[in-house]
This record gives sequence, C-alpha cells and structure tokens, in this order.
Amino acid sequence: GAGVSQSPSNKVTEKGKDVELRCDPISGHTALYWYRQSLGQGLEFLIYFQGNSAPDKSGLPSDRFSAERTGGSVSTLTIQRTQQEDSAVYLCASSLGVVSTDTQYFGPGTRLTVL
Amino acid sequence: TQLLEQSPQFLSIQEGENLTVYCNSSSVFSSLQWYRQEPGEGPVLLVTVVTGGEVKKLKRLTFQFGDARKDSSLHITAAQPGDTGLYLCAGVDPNAGGTSYGKLTFGQGTILTVHP
Repeated sequence: GAGVSQSPSNKVTEKGKDVELRCDPISGHTALYWYRQSLGQGLEFLIYFQGNSAPDKSGLPSDRFSAERTGGSVSTLTIQRTQQEDSAVYLCASSLGVVSTDTQYFGPGTRLTVL
Repeated sequence: TQLLEQSPQFLSIQEGENLTVYCNSSSVFSSLQWYRQEPGEGPVLLVTVVTGGEVKKLKRLTFQFGDARKDSSLHITAAQPGDTGLYLCAGVDPNAGGTSYGKLTFGQGTILTVHP
C-alpha cells in the first residue's frame, strides 16, 4: 500500500566510481519512469519501462547510464564512471499504465553527489 | 529546445497576495499537468487539464488550459505560507512516437515563496 520508494536517499561518491540507484514502484503499476532533476529545476526524462522492457531510452545522457527492471517491479539505474555533471536528484515514478493521462506517482528521489 | 516555458522562474510574495504562474509552448499538447514539489520530496500531481479552454479549481488554486491547448496558467488566490514550493507544469511530448505514451516533458519550474 506504500508509495514509490527509492534507495539510497543520498549517495556521495567519488568521480570515476559506479553507482546503483534503486526504485520500488507501487505494486501493480506496469509503467516505471526515471527522471533527473538539477537543483530547483524541472525534470529531465531518462527512460521508461513498460513491464520489463524499455521502449524509450532516448533520455539517457550517455552510454555510462543504463537501467533494468526485473519481475515487472523493482528497477535499478546504474551510472558507470560517474562524473561531476551527474550530480543531481534522480527521481523514479510509476503509473498504472502508459496512457498519457495516467497519474505518475513519484518517489522522494536519490540525491547523488559526485565529488 | 524547451518545449514548455514557465514564468516567472522565481516568485516571492506576502501572505494574502494573489499570483499567477504561466506555462507556454509553441506545440499543442493533448493534456497538461501541474505538480507541486516540496524540498526532499517528489512532485505531487495537482491537476490534469485536457480540454481546450478548460478551467479547474482546487480550493484556492485555479488552473486554465488555453483554447489552443498550447498554454496553461495556475492562479493562487490569497496565498498562504503553506503554498511555498516548486510548481511544475508538464505534458506528454507531442512529438513522441507510439512507444512514448506517458513520457512527460517538464517546464523548468517556478519557485514560490510565501512570507508570513
């Protein structure tokens, strides 16, 4: 019955390290979205999943970014060889389906800081 | 290219004042959504407008969708400190293909501060 959860809430890493960010969507939601938000700004779409497949990966900034979703539930966003420009809040959202008016419910985000 | 332009970017007002936030685009959207986000939390959906010319009210908040479905506004009457937050408009990318239903394009947001 809980909302979308994300972990960790905060992650500080050194430049060049790999990080994994996790998203647990609302149970039963088939669609899952990843967005990135710079300080006080709007959200930038990264990738979305319908079930376990990702029909749209167009927002991933580089090949250092990848994401997967298993069992139609949990998703992991992986950033390899992190750079300082990767510092941002990474938000995950889920919705019942992918109709444009389906409400997306957002998690609290993971704040990533790359030193 | 910024599909959705929000203005103003910052708004600082006193309690009791009225305000309007604008969301404009050169593209037609099938629907537009407004979100409110507080620090440390994800955006929360306030409203979805679908029909051109539609007006929706949520207590002291009034949302309007332009007749041509290219713009929207959020008007707050008698603002209160609890209204403080980041307000975001968003819509499904009108240029998105069939596999991108639900992919949201966001405006850059309006940071509202209401002082007691």
